[in-house]
Amino acid sequence: EVQLQESGPGLVKPSQSLSLTCSVTGYSITSNYWGWIRKFPGNKMEWMGYISYSGSTSYNPSLKSRISITRDTSKNQFFLQLNSVTTEDTATYYCAERSRRGWFAYWGQGTLVTVSS
Amino acid sequence: DTVLTQSPALAVSPGERVSISCRASEGVNSYMHWYQQKPGQQPKLLIYKASNLASGVPARFSGSGSGTDFTLTIDPVEADDTATYFCQQSWNDPDTFGAGTKLELK
Repeated sequence: EVQLQESGPGLVKPSQSLSLTCSVTGYSITSNYWGWIRKFPGNKMEWMGYISYSGSTSYNPSLKSRISITRDTSKNQFFLQLNSVTTEDTATYYCAERSRRGWFAYWGQGTLVTVSS
Repeated sequence: DTVLTQSPALAVSPGERVSISCRASEGVNSYMHWYQQKPGQQPKLLIYKASNLASGVPARFSGSGSGTDFTLTIDPVEADDTATYFCQQSWNDPDTFGAGTKLELK
C-alpha cells in the first residue's frame, strides 16, 4: 500500500523559507506524479504543484515565483520549498500521489505549518 | 482559474439520500473528483472522473455529471458519513478545489 508522510518545521518566521519533506513507501516516486496541496484555516484548499516520474515539475501560477519541488529518488522522497513566506502561508500542508489524469488517490496525514515571528 | 462552487452545509437524517453539488465556472469535461475529509484526517478519494468509485469506497457513494455540473450522492446516509466533502477539477490548469460542503446528521 502506498503511504506518504510529511515532515518539517511546524513554525517558520515571516520572510524565511518553508521546507517540507514527503517520504513515500510502497511505491516508487519514479512512477506517477507527486504533489503538494495545502489547506488554509477556514477550509480553502490550494493545489501547489507536483513533480513527475521524470522529474519535471508543474506549479500553481499563483506561487510560481516562490515555489520549488525537488526529489531524491534514492530515498524515495520529494520536497517542497516555499520562499518569502508570510502569515498568509499558514496552513496544513499535504503531500499526495497524483494520477496522470489528476486525482489524488493517496495522501499524507498533513503537517501544520504556522508562519509567525 | 476554474472556480468550483459548493453549498456550504447540509443536514440529513440517517437512512436518507443526500446529493451534494459542485458547479464549475467553466467546463471540466468529466475531470471532477470527490473527497471526504473528517476532522483531523487527510482527505480520502471517493469518486474520480465524475462517476468512478475509488477502491474500497462503499457503493452507497456515487457520482454523476459532466461539463460544469456535478453531483455526489450518498444513499443511504450513515452516521459515519459526517464529514466535509470537497470537489476538485483537473481539466483546466491549475487544479482547483471547491470550498467544501459540511454534511451533518440530524
